[in-house]
Amino acid sequence: QVQLQQWGAGLLKPSETLSLTCAVYGGSLGGYYWNWIRQPPGKGLEWIGEINHSGSTNYNPSLKSRVTMSVDTSKNQISLKLTSVTAADTAVYYCARRVVVAAYGLWGQGTAVTVSS
Amino acid sequence: QSALTQPPSASGSPGQSVTISCTGTSSDVGGYNYVSWYRQHPGKAPKLMIYEVSKRPSGVPDRFSGSKSGNTASLTVSGLQAEDEADYYCSSYGGNNNLGVFGGGTKLTVL
Repeated sequence: QVQLQQWGAGLLKPSETLSLTCAVYGGSLGGYYWNWIRQPPGKGLEWIGEINHSGSTNYNPSLKSRVTMSVDTSKNQISLKLTSVTAADTAVYYCARRVVVAAYGLWGQGTAVTVSS
Repeated sequence: QSALTQPPSASGSPGQSVTISCTGTSSDVGGYNYVSWYRQHPGKAPKLMIYEVSKRPSGVPDRFSGSKSGNTASLTVSGLQAEDEADYYCSSYGGNNNLGVFGGGTKLTVL
């Protein structure tokens, strides 16, 4: 069965760049949009954006200026970069596979990222 | 502040039914039949329970049902079980390729 495994730096200083990777095991990137969603401590979910196997992207307008997503089909991986982080970017970041519009049916285990000086 | 409004808490006894609401606007919930619901246990990733307002993914029991009226969507959990105690989040398409407008979450307690 398809599984998502994600990793990346867990502690950043303000103004640094967040970088996370999500690998797809047991399936292909093709045919789906792959998303990043985050959850600040004790708070709700926030959609960051998505990318498909061809590199076509959609980003949350509120984060668009700082977000870059990329895909590596040879490694079956997607990546997220978020620049100029602040404490407000402290959250658990999830990668997820979109099933249909605005529905995410397969999730990674989550990566906790803390931004602190 | 979340774009969709959910009650912070809900509760019910085992075997009872509980309904959680999710209120948006005509630009999201009311404008599209793309509302989904997620259950999240502490420390775990969310799990998709309902998509496209009322459809259940394979493996989700029919105790979970969804509906929508105007700008408000609802999730009903029937026959409450201990495992249903969790946080529940709604999500909607927000138009203009904004693919994930979420609610603030509802903590469901099984008494």
